[in-house]
Amino acid sequence: EAGVAQSPRYKIIEKRQSVAFWCNPISGHATLYWYQQILGQGPKLLIQFQNNGVVDDSQLPKDRFSAERLKGVDSTLKIQPAKLEDSAVYLCASRLKGGVRTDTQYFGPGTRLTVL
Amino acid sequence: AQRVTQPEKLLSVFKGAPVELKCNYSYSGSPELFWYVQYSRQRLQLLLRHISRESIKGFTADLNKGETSFHLKKPFAQEEDSAMYYCALSGHTGGFKTIFGAGTRLFVKA
Repeated sequence: EAGVAQSPRYKIIEKRQSVAFWCNPISGHATLYWYQQILGQGPKLLIQFQNNGVVDDSQLPKDRFSAERLKGVDSTLKIQPAKLEDSAVYLCASRLKGGVRTDTQYFGPGTRLTVL
Repeated sequence: AQRVTQPEKLLSVFKGAPVELKCNYSYSGSPELFWYVQYSRQRLQLLLRHISRESIKGFTADLNKGETSFHLKKPFAQEEDSAMYYCALSGHTGGFKTIFGAGTRLFVKA
């Protein structure tokens, strides 16, 4: 079974530029998450999708971050414009259903973003 | 507020020594607790969860509701245990959102 795929793996941009990340979850997984992991910290949830609907985006900085999962499969996360403090690893994760105690969350390899 | 605290950023032990990675949490209700592990150049992955009451790779963790702790233990550390370990919680109060601690890097010396 293929795991969660993410691209690109690395990205370097200058502040005020735009950037987009792509995630392909495990086939059949209804729930998809985007996390931001700043150096020295644990992952922090940015947004959670159930199929193509948003379940939780309470920690997403909506003035600059946006995310979509139009067909309930792949997802993109965009930052526009980027700030220095956005430098982090962006992790995508998926799980079969979500909200079920025995459901396991599977993580992608992450995209390391550096904003100069 | 829901919070996970891992007081040690780095823990260094000798091979064969016991290891305990500490985790304390704050949560209103009955959370589910997890330990995730990230080995060098690998993805973050689930190590164990408290409801399973299992031992994975020799690691165990007991949920202590009185002390709001979920410490990870292994009686005899191995070099291959060297990794980053994250304690996390999830629960109905937070819409099953997973909240992670800052992580502890375990280094097992030969």
